[in-house]
Amino acid sequence: GAVVSQHPSRVICKSGTSVKIECRSLDFQATTMFWYRQFPKQSLMLMATSNEGSKATYEQGVEKDKFLINHASLTLSTLTVASAHPEDSSFYICSARAVDRETTEAFFGQGTRLTVV
Amino acid sequence: DQQVKQNSPSLSVQEGRISILNCDYTNSMFDYFLWYKKYPAEGPTFLISISSIKDKNEDGRFTVFLNKSAKHLSLHIVPSQPGDSAVYFCAASAQTGRRALTFGSGTRLQVQP
Repeated sequence: GAVVSQHPSRVICKSGTSVKIECRSLDFQATTMFWYRQFPKQSLMLMATSNEGSKATYEQGVEKDKFLINHASLTLSTLTVASAHPEDSSFYICSARAVDRETTEAFFGQGTRLTVV
Repeated sequence: DQQVKQNSPSLSVQEGRISILNCDYTNSMFDYFLWYKKYPAEGPTFLISISSIKDKNEDGRFTVFLNKSAKHLSLHIVPSQPGDSAVYFCAASAQTGRRALTFGSGTRLQVQP
């Protein structure tokens, strides 16, 4: 299946700093990438939908100034958690959809565990 | 408002027997359904999907059944193997999968040797 690489897999940062998470589609071009967040023992919650070359669409309740998304190319989307605080600690996962497929299984990255201390 | 529900948080099955994981949805716009397997601290791995034009899709040991009138789908794993032990998420999408996925809360499957 298609490969989506997410980096870093784990990051610990101090409160007030910003953290950037990268999501790359390695063997296909992705028109659309999605960013999810998962709290312990809970489901994956969609944060935003990112389309290449345009602004991301955020879900209700997600602060766009806190979670900055950039989808500059068909193979890369980045999520920056600005001025991170302990409540931002979570597991963040991206997924990507291929350009040439009408439907897709939306391949997922391996996730990033963010801990803000 | 949970649009995709997995009411069983956990399931334990003997090796070799059938595992049945259930999922209910409320949004009638959903027309594409998927099952994912997930280990802790990893991203979900796609297992099997089904379009709303079908009522069954089979892939090896995995079969997904869709009952549109009941807004219910299930994943059957037979025979179950210890390596199947993981959290299974049901997901749904509108516009034949072109929209973002909405996930259920997951069911932890434990297959006992």
